[in-house]
Amino acid sequence: QVQVVQSGAEVKKPGSSVKVSCKASGGTFSSYGINWVRQAPGQGLEWMGRIVPILGLATYAQKFQGRVTITADKSTSTSYMDLSSLRSEDTAVYYCARSRDGYDYYYFDYWGQGTLVTVSS
Amino acid sequence: QSVLTQPPSASGTPGQRVTISCSGSSSNIESNTVSWYLHLPGTAPKLLIYSNNQRPSGVPDRFSGSKSGTSASLAISGLQSEDEADYYCAAWDDSLNGPVFGGGTKLTVL
Repeated sequence: QVQVVQSGAEVKKPGSSVKVSCKASGGTFSSYGINWVRQAPGQGLEWMGRIVPILGLATYAQKFQGRVTITADKSTSTSYMDLSSLRSEDTAVYYCARSRDGYDYYYFDYWGQGTLVTVSS
Repeated sequence: QSVLTQPPSASGTPGQRVTISCSGSSSNIESNTVSWYLHLPGTAPKLLIYSNNQRPSGVPDRFSGSKSGTSASLAISGLQSEDEADYYCAAWDDSLNGPVFGGGTKLTVL
């Protein structure tokens, strides 16, 4: 059974950066997409981007281009999401999720427990 | 504003059947398959349905999905108190080149 464990809650100042980690175990890591999805208070889920570790290729939602960097370490089955220039609107729970995709399908089959990032002065 | 549109709330009594709708467009639901997730605040979202109507192992057959054109639906039959949660639909969007979600539907079991 795949398990995905994320790093703990963070409190950051506006303008700073945060790096959240996500470690997978019990299954294949490198050949699947590892995605980052966030949920702001009272809001729905929002996809930020993904990386396929075996390719080392990351793609990002346009909204976060230039501010987010997603990386992966195949040797430890860990993905990292780095978000810079933080503002109060970035206060959210950040999830990593493994994706399965093909010609006309894309879904998330395993999720981490979420990491609360609070941006406050 | 979410790309996919869901009703903000739904409700039913134990044993009832409820449906949750998800409306999109030609660039997402019409041309790609839909997945559904159950989410309890503070926990990891759980995959309920993928490829419009497929259930992962372990998901009860009380949960079913369907799609027609630019809309999709999740049906829950034999409603149970533990079904009370937030439900999200999602699909790949060809125009945005990424997956998009609905705004979520809060299901209350009365």
